[in-house]
Amino acid sequence: AQKVTQAQTEISVVEKEDVTLDCVYETRDTTYYLFWYKQPPSGELVFLIRRNSFDEQNEISGRYSWNFQKSTSSFNFTITASQVVDSAVYFCALSDGMNTGFQKLVFGTGTRLLVSP
Amino acid sequence: DTGVSQNPRHKITKRGQNVTFRCDPISEHNRLYWYRQTLGQGPEFLTYFQNEAQLEKSRLLSDRFSAERPKGSFSTLEIQRTEQGDSAMYLCASSLDPTGRAYSNQPQHFGDGTRLSIL
Repeated sequence: AQKVTQAQTEISVVEKEDVTLDCVYETRDTTYYLFWYKQPPSGELVFLIRRNSFDEQNEISGRYSWNFQKSTSSFNFTITASQVVDSAVYFCALSDGMNTGFQKLVFGTGTRLLVSP
Repeated sequence: DTGVSQNPRHKITKRGQNVTFRCDPISEHNRLYWYRQTLGQGPEFLTYFQNEAQLEKSRLLSDRFSAERPKGSFSTLEIQRTEQGDSAMYLCASSLDPTGRAYSNQPQHFGDGTRLSIL
């Protein structure tokens, strides 16, 4: 079976602090994709990143960075110098070939990030 | 480049009524997905289409639910005889699978969702 665990329900930080959102996944497949989505109060899920299981290189995009470690089945997301506009619920998701045919996404329960001025 | 569009944004109805939601995907996207999201949870997969063919349905999709994508463009999701437990956000997403082979499927892009409230 496949599963995504986001143990942090809610994180509160003050603007300009760095924050890391944790994601742990389970799958027996060797080929899979991992995703992060942002859901602001407006409700739309905004795609942030997709990584495949064969690419463990960390990625940086502006203030965002992602740390993919297959050894610990984790795909953590760090926001550097957080801003109020980063306040949202962040979801980690998994899609594999064995269980989903790379179609449906299996989401974690999300981490609510509150950034105060 | 227009995104995924869903209508209506909000729907309030009485228990037992039928409701229908519409989703217009990104124009060149051949795959379309429906998810349901309840408060405090992540989205859960309901069903997906490749062009007009409905290829998979979740066990969450009871007989009261039906989805169509008649010409491979927009899709509708209908719920018959609504129940209190149907109250949720219904999300639509679309993606482009350029080769038709699942591994090449591009990331899913979501609409704003339709929030359903059952009185």
